[in-house]
Parts: sequence; structure tokens; C-alpha cells
Amino acid sequence: GAVVSQHPSWVICKSGTSVKIECRSLDFQATTMFWYRQFPKQSLMLMATSNEGSKATYEQGVEKDKFLINHASLTLSTLTVTSAHPEDSSFYICSAPKLSGGAYNEQFFGPGTRLTVL
Amino acid sequence: GQQVMQIPQYQHVQEGEDFTTYCNSSTTLSNIQWYKQRPGGHPVFLIQLVKSGEVKKQKRLTFQFGEAKKNSSLHITATQTTDVGTYFCAGRVGGGYQKVTFGTGTKLQVIP
Repeated sequence: GAVVSQHPSWVICKSGTSVKIECRSLDFQATTMFWYRQFPKQSLMLMATSNEGSKATYEQGVEKDKFLINHASLTLSTLTVTSAHPEDSSFYICSAPKLSGGAYNEQFFGPGTRLTVL
Repeated sequence: GQQVMQIPQYQHVQEGEDFTTYCNSSTTLSNIQWYKQRPGGHPVFLIQLVKSGEVKKQKRLTFQFGEAKKNSSLHITATQTTDVGTYFCAGRVGGGYQKVTFGTGTKLQVIP
């Protein structure tokens, strides 16, 4: 299978600071990546679709000015949580779909980043 | 918007017993995927179903896609402690790189 990495794996920051999370596809190119957040014991909630070379598409209710997404290359997408607050504490996971025959593809997930805002 | 529900939310089984989780979508899906997430880990792709009524097997796991392409199920025969985790279905509307909507998940606990 394909490999997707995330960095950092965990981060603790003070309220009001910004945190950048990187998502890389290591052995394939991904023109699209997805960013999810997952609260404890809950499902994955899609935040936005990151598109290489164009603006990200945000899901309803997700503040684009707070969660800045940049997809600068075919292997890297970044999520910046700006002016983080304790309610932003969560597990952030990225995924990259890889074509595996036909029009349908599976998603390969990064290991996730646990963000704790004090 | 699209909603994908799973039941049950939690399931405790004795090792060796069977387990089934059901996934229901509010809209017709082009395909459905199943993922497993171990405690503290990230989701790992298990399988994708595309055709109406499709049934696929992976060793002790049997996956079904409903005729109307709005529901799916995952059945595990003779559970083992290694099956512990949360199982998510994820439904896609459209093809290509269309986003998927994750189901609410079923957490499986296997008692040795």
C-alpha cells in the first residue's frame, strides 16, 4: 500500500498560537488530500478537501480563516490552525486517495496529529 | 446532507463468537469502503464495494453491499482478540476523488 506521513504526531501549544500540520504522500502523487478531525470516541469528520494548485474546499461549518490549508505540491498539504483555542484540541488526520484501477480509489491515512491547546 | 449511520455503536463479544456491523446511508452510494481503526491508531482501508449486491470475503470477514446501494454490512466469523477496534464504513457519492462520508463507527471489543 501507499504511505502517508504526518508531522508532528503530537503538539501542545498555548491558546492564541498557530500550529502547522504537514501531510505528505511519500511514494505517490496526490492532487487531492482530505483533512479530518476526530474527537474522542467519535467518527472522522471531514473538514476540507485540499486541492493541489487551487483553493481548498471547506465543509459546511468549518471556518476557512481559522483552518488554513495549502497544497503547494503533489506530495504535500499543510493545515494551519490559527489562533488555536482549547476547543480546537482534537486528533487531526489527513488522507490521500490513490487511484488503484478504474475511477475508484482507496484513501491512505496519515498517522494523525494530536493537538492539545492549553 | 449525506448521513451514514452504523449500528450497533458498541459490541462486546466472547472470542470465537461472530460479529456484524450494519451501515446505512441516507443517499444512494457509488461505492462504499470499510476501514478499521485500532485504539490510538489511524483508519486502515479494508475493502471497497462497488456493485449492487456485491459480496466480498477476506478470510473471516464478509462484506456486503445492498441491492439499492444504500446499505452495507461487515460480518466477522469466529472473532479473535486481534479484531478489536472500531470499524467504519465510508460512503462515496460519485467517482474519482469525490469525498467520502464516514459512518458513525462500531467499536468491537473481544473478550478472551
